[in-house]
Amino acid sequence: AQSVTQLDSQVPVFEEAPVELRCNYSSSVSVYLFWYVQYPNQGLQLLLKYLSGSTLVKGINGFEAEFNKSQTSFHLRKPSVHISDTAEYFCAVTRNRDDKIIFGKGTRLHILP
Amino acid sequence: DVKVTQSSRYLVKRTGEKVFLECVQDMDHENMFWYRQDPGLGLRLIYFSYDVKMKEKGDIPEGYSVSREKKERFSLILESASTNQTSMYLCASSFPPEGAGGYTFGSGTRLTVV
Repeated sequence: AQSVTQLDSQVPVFEEAPVELRCNYSSSVSVYLFWYVQYPNQGLQLLLKYLSGSTLVKGINGFEAEFNKSQTSFHLRKPSVHISDTAEYFCAVTRNRDDKIIFGKGTRLHILP
Repeated sequence: DVKVTQSSRYLVKRTGEKVFLECVQDMDHENMFWYRQDPGLGLRLIYFSYDVKMKEKGDIPEGYSVSREKKERFSLILESASTNQTSMYLCASSFPPEGAGGYTFGSGTRLTVV
Protein backbone atom coordinates (compact mmCIF):
# COMPACT_ATOMS: atom_id res chain seq x y z
CA ALA A 1 0.00 0.00 0.00
CA GLN A 2 1.09 3.52 -0.60
CA SER A 3 1.81 5.95 2.16
CA VAL A 4 3.05 9.49 2.51
CA THR A 5 5.17 10.78 5.38
CA GLN A 6 5.59 14.44 6.09
CA LEU A 7 8.50 14.51 8.45
CA ASP A 8 7.69 17.77 10.22
CA SER A 9 4.31 18.66 11.67
CA GLN A 10 5.35 22.30 12.12
CA VAL A 11 8.10 24.40 10.57
CA PRO A 12 8.90 27.90 11.87
CA VAL A 13 10.94 30.13 9.57
CA PHE A 14 11.81 33.80 9.49
CA GLU A 15 10.33 36.00 6.80
CA GLU A 16 12.50 36.19 3.66
CA ALA A 17 14.42 33.05 4.69
CA PRO A 18 14.38 29.88 2.55
CA VAL A 19 12.24 26.91 3.53
CA GLU A 20 12.08 23.22 2.75
CA LEU A 21 9.10 21.05 3.66
CA ARG A 22 9.95 17.37 3.55
CA CYS A 23 7.86 14.59 2.07
CA ASN A 24 8.68 10.92 1.61
CA TYR A 25 6.48 8.31 0.01
CA SER A 26 6.47 4.55 -0.09
CA SER A 27 5.66 2.82 -3.32
CA SER A 28 7.37 0.16 -5.34
CA VAL A 29 6.00 1.47 -8.60
CA SER A 30 5.87 4.74 -10.44
CA VAL A 31 3.91 7.46 -8.71
CA TYR A 32 2.26 10.78 -9.29
CA LEU A 33 2.98 13.38 -6.62
CA PHE A 34 1.25 16.54 -5.47
CA TRP A 35 1.60 19.38 -3.03
CA TYR A 36 -1.49 21.18 -1.78
CA VAL A 37 -1.73 24.33 0.35
CA GLN A 38 -4.48 25.18 2.82
CA TYR A 39 -4.73 28.78 4.02
CA PRO A 40 -6.53 29.37 7.33
CA ASN A 41 -10.24 28.49 7.19
CA GLN A 42 -10.10 27.51 3.54
CA GLY A 43 -10.08 24.33 1.48
CA LEU A 44 -7.02 22.82 -0.17
CA GLN A 45 -5.53 24.34 -3.30
CA LEU A 46 -3.20 22.57 -5.71
CA LEU A 47 0.31 24.05 -5.48
CA LEU A 48 2.11 21.80 -7.97
CA LYS A 49 2.20 18.27 -9.31
CA TYR A 50 4.66 15.79 -10.76
CA LEU A 51 3.34 13.36 -13.34
CA SER A 52 6.41 12.68 -15.48
CA GLY A 53 9.31 14.41 -17.19
CA SER A 54 11.58 16.91 -15.47
CA THR A 55 12.14 16.09 -11.83
CA LEU A 56 12.06 19.78 -10.84
CA VAL A 57 8.51 21.04 -10.79
CA LYS A 58 7.56 24.68 -10.44
CA GLY A 59 4.27 25.70 -8.87
CA ILE A 60 2.36 28.79 -7.90
CA ASN A 61 3.55 31.48 -5.49
CA GLY A 62 7.26 30.77 -6.13
CA PHE A 63 7.24 27.22 -4.77
CA GLU A 64 9.03 24.32 -6.42
CA ALA A 65 9.53 20.65 -5.62
CA GLU A 66 12.04 18.04 -6.68
CA PHE A 67 11.15 14.42 -7.34
CA ASN A 68 13.91 12.09 -6.20
CA LYS A 69 13.11 8.51 -7.13
CA SER A 70 16.13 6.93 -5.42
CA GLN A 71 15.29 8.61 -2.11
CA THR A 72 11.50 8.36 -2.66
CA SER A 73 11.18 12.02 -1.76
CA PHE A 74 9.30 15.04 -3.07
CA HIS A 75 10.44 17.98 -0.94
CA LEU A 76 8.88 21.41 -1.36
CA ARG A 77 11.07 24.49 -1.39
CA LYS A 78 10.83 28.25 -1.59
CA PRO A 79 13.90 30.51 -1.64
CA SER A 80 12.30 33.38 0.29
CA VAL A 81 9.07 33.11 2.25
CA HIS A 82 6.53 35.83 2.97
CA ILE A 83 4.04 36.24 5.76
CA SER A 84 1.32 35.32 3.27
CA ASP A 85 2.82 31.81 2.98
CA THR A 86 1.52 30.99 6.45
CA ALA A 87 -0.57 27.89 5.80
CA GLU A 88 -0.69 24.13 6.10
CA TYR A 89 0.95 22.16 3.32
CA PHE A 90 -0.04 18.65 2.29
CA CYS A 91 1.99 16.22 0.25
CA ALA A 92 -0.02 13.61 -1.68
CA VAL A 93 0.64 10.58 -3.86
CA THR A 94 -1.18 8.25 -6.18
CA ARG A 95 0.18 5.09 -7.75
CA ASN A 96 -1.43 5.56 -11.10
CA ARG A 97 -3.81 7.79 -12.93
CA ASP A 98 -6.89 5.87 -11.86
CA ASP A 99 -6.15 5.56 -8.14
CA LYS A 100 -7.35 7.72 -5.33
CA ILE A 101 -4.88 10.25 -3.97
CA ILE A 102 -3.36 9.56 -0.56
CA PHE A 103 -2.59 12.61 1.59
CA GLY A 104 0.08 13.13 4.21
CA LYS A 105 -0.83 14.54 7.61
CA GLY A 106 0.30 18.04 6.73
CA THR A 107 3.02 20.50 7.76
CA ARG A 108 2.14 23.85 9.31
CA LEU A 109 4.41 26.62 8.08
CA HIS A 110 4.80 29.48 10.58
CA ILE A 111 6.41 32.63 9.25
CA LEU A 112 8.18 34.64 11.96
CA PRO A 113 8.53 38.42 11.51
CA ASP B 1 -13.68 30.27 -12.48
CA VAL B 2 -14.43 26.62 -11.77
CA LYS B 3 -15.72 25.82 -8.36
CA VAL B 4 -16.65 23.35 -5.70
CA THR B 5 -19.19 24.99 -3.42
CA GLN B 6 -20.06 23.80 0.06
CA SER B 7 -23.32 25.24 1.26
CA SER B 8 -22.25 26.22 4.78
CA ARG B 9 -18.94 27.49 6.14
CA TYR B 10 -19.92 27.02 9.78
CA LEU B 11 -22.61 24.82 11.26
CA VAL B 12 -23.67 24.09 14.83
CA LYS B 13 -25.94 21.12 15.46
CA ARG B 14 -27.24 19.25 18.47
CA THR B 15 -26.39 15.66 19.36
CA GLY B 16 -28.80 13.26 17.69
CA GLU B 17 -29.83 15.61 14.88
CA LYS B 18 -29.73 14.47 11.26
CA VAL B 19 -27.28 16.72 9.44
CA PHE B 20 -26.95 17.33 5.70
CA LEU B 21 -23.77 18.77 4.21
CA GLU B 22 -24.16 19.81 0.59
CA CYS B 23 -21.51 20.04 -2.10
CA VAL B 24 -21.99 21.26 -5.66
CA GLN B 25 -19.41 21.41 -8.46
CA ASP B 26 -19.74 23.21 -11.76
CA MET B 27 -16.92 21.47 -13.65
CA ASP B 28 -18.87 18.45 -14.92
CA HIS B 29 -16.53 16.24 -12.88
CA GLU B 30 -17.32 12.53 -12.64
CA ASN B 31 -15.64 11.91 -9.28
CA MET B 32 -16.61 13.43 -5.96
CA PHE B 33 -15.23 12.89 -2.46
CA TRP B 34 -15.97 13.72 1.16
CA TYR B 35 -13.14 14.06 3.67
CA ARG B 36 -12.97 15.08 7.28
CA GLN B 37 -9.94 16.94 8.59
CA ASP B 38 -8.82 16.82 12.21
CA PRO B 39 -5.66 18.23 13.81
CA GLY B 40 -2.81 15.72 13.69
CA LEU B 41 -4.82 13.24 11.63
CA GLY B 42 -4.75 14.96 8.24
CA LEU B 43 -7.47 14.20 5.72
CA ARG B 44 -9.49 11.04 6.08
CA LEU B 45 -11.74 9.80 3.28
CA ILE B 46 -15.35 9.19 4.32
CA TYR B 47 -17.13 8.34 1.05
CA PHE B 48 -16.59 8.84 -2.64
CA SER B 49 -18.55 8.51 -5.85
CA TYR B 50 -17.46 7.91 -9.41
CA ASP B 51 -20.89 8.38 -11.00
CA VAL B 52 -24.46 9.39 -10.36
CA LYS B 53 -26.24 7.10 -7.88
CA MET B 54 -22.94 5.35 -7.20
CA LYS B 55 -21.15 5.48 -3.86
CA GLU B 56 -18.28 3.72 -2.19
CA LYS B 57 -17.06 3.68 1.39
CA GLY B 58 -13.79 5.32 2.21
CA ASP B 59 -11.66 4.76 5.29
CA ILE B 60 -14.08 6.03 7.95
CA PRO B 61 -17.70 5.65 6.75
CA GLU B 62 -19.25 4.74 10.10
CA GLY B 63 -21.95 7.17 11.16
CA TYR B 64 -22.19 8.72 7.70
CA SER B 65 -24.07 8.15 4.46
CA VAL B 66 -24.06 9.94 1.12
CA SER B 67 -26.37 10.73 -1.75
CA ARG B 68 -25.59 11.53 -5.37
CA GLU B 69 -28.80 11.99 -7.32
CA LYS B 70 -27.27 14.42 -9.82
CA LYS B 71 -23.78 14.56 -11.26
CA GLU B 72 -22.99 17.97 -9.82
CA ARG B 73 -24.22 17.39 -6.27
CA PHE B 74 -22.82 15.11 -3.56
CA SER B 75 -24.40 15.23 -0.13
CA LEU B 76 -22.94 13.93 3.12
CA ILE B 77 -25.46 12.86 5.75
CA LEU B 78 -24.80 12.41 9.45
CA GLU B 79 -27.65 10.11 10.45
CA SER B 80 -27.48 10.99 14.16
CA ALA B 81 -24.84 13.58 14.92
CA SER B 82 -22.46 12.93 17.78
CA THR B 83 -19.84 15.13 19.42
CA ASN B 84 -17.02 13.06 17.93
CA GLN B 85 -18.19 14.17 14.50
CA THR B 86 -17.20 17.73 15.29
CA SER B 87 -14.70 18.42 12.53
CA MET B 88 -13.86 20.26 9.32
CA TYR B 89 -15.53 18.57 6.35
CA LEU B 90 -14.05 18.99 2.89
CA CYS B 91 -15.66 18.10 -0.42
CA ALA B 92 -13.55 17.53 -3.53
CA SER B 93 -14.10 16.62 -7.14
CA SER B 94 -12.00 15.45 -10.06
CA PHE B 95 -12.24 14.47 -13.67
CA PRO B 96 -10.98 10.97 -14.36
CA PRO B 97 -8.30 9.85 -14.38
CA GLU B 98 -8.14 11.41 -10.93
CA GLY B 99 -4.46 10.77 -10.48
CA ALA B 100 -3.56 12.95 -13.42
CA GLY B 101 -5.08 16.27 -12.46
CA GLY B 102 -5.54 16.08 -8.75
CA TYR B 103 -8.59 17.23 -6.85
CA THR B 104 -10.45 20.53 -6.64
CA PHE B 105 -11.59 21.26 -3.09
CA GLY B 106 -14.39 23.29 -1.65
CA SER B 107 -13.79 25.80 1.15
CA GLY B 108 -14.91 23.39 3.82
CA THR B 109 -17.67 23.24 6.42
CA ARG B 110 -16.68 23.48 10.05
CA LEU B 111 -19.26 21.46 11.94
CA THR B 112 -19.65 21.65 15.68
CA VAL B 113 -21.93 19.13 17.40
CA VAL B 114 -23.00 20.15 20.91
